[in-house]
Amino acid sequence: DSGVTQTPKHLITATGQRVTLRCSPRSGDLSVYWYQQSLDQGLQFLIQYYNGEERAKGNILERFSAQQFPDLHSELNLSSLELGDSALYFCASSVGGLNSGANVLTFGAGSRLTVL
Amino acid sequence: AQTVTQSQPEMSVQEAETVTLSCTYDTSESDYYLFWYKQPPSRQMILVIRQEAYKQQNATENRFSVNFQKAAKSFSLKISDSQLGDAAMYFCAYRRLGQNFVFGPGTRLSVLP
Repeated sequence: DSGVTQTPKHLITATGQRVTLRCSPRSGDLSVYWYQQSLDQGLQFLIQYYNGEERAKGNILERFSAQQFPDLHSELNLSSLELGDSALYFCASSVGGLNSGANVLTFGAGSRLTVL
Repeated sequence: AQTVTQSQPEMSVQEAETVTLSCTYDTSESDYYLFWYKQPPSRQMILVIRQEAYKQQNATENRFSVNFQKAAKSFSLKISDSQLGDAAMYFCAYRRLGQNFVFGPGTRLSVLP
């Protein structure tokens, strides 16, 4: 157990629907990162939050949004889902922000989204 | 933009043998951090080893060690005494202060009994 909790583990939904993925970072970590991994592909960085504020944005579609709450948990909202959104969505956390040299990413187990 | 290249999409090694996975990166910075992450069939991403660019000594974690060649911008991972549980996708990653992690495309390692 990495200490990063992601729910749900699996999710099957239909095109056009909206889903919310949830992440609780490891205790003491202030940064949360979201990554997308399509089948047998690498990791695509989506977005990063530090202590409730958005700090970096990657290849995140406009249909996707995220936030980090005061208790530091984060949610990734995916709307108007398309078949191509089927992927494994990882949350990772780290102690500091982008300027912290001590940063190591600790990953959750991922949420597998299947869009039919 | 920084890029990380892993030129070996797939590799295999015999159990108990040694294998080296390659990683090169592109940067003009002198201070940065390098990582190897492992993703076994469970899909969980696990940190294997970490190296600070300012440290000349190569990092080691049990059977895992790196060969860090700063001038060549090379960061290879050596796995000694390979075990069946080492079979996984291995991702090399780069990070510098103020920037996010950049991951390579991965190398799939098979361990043959």
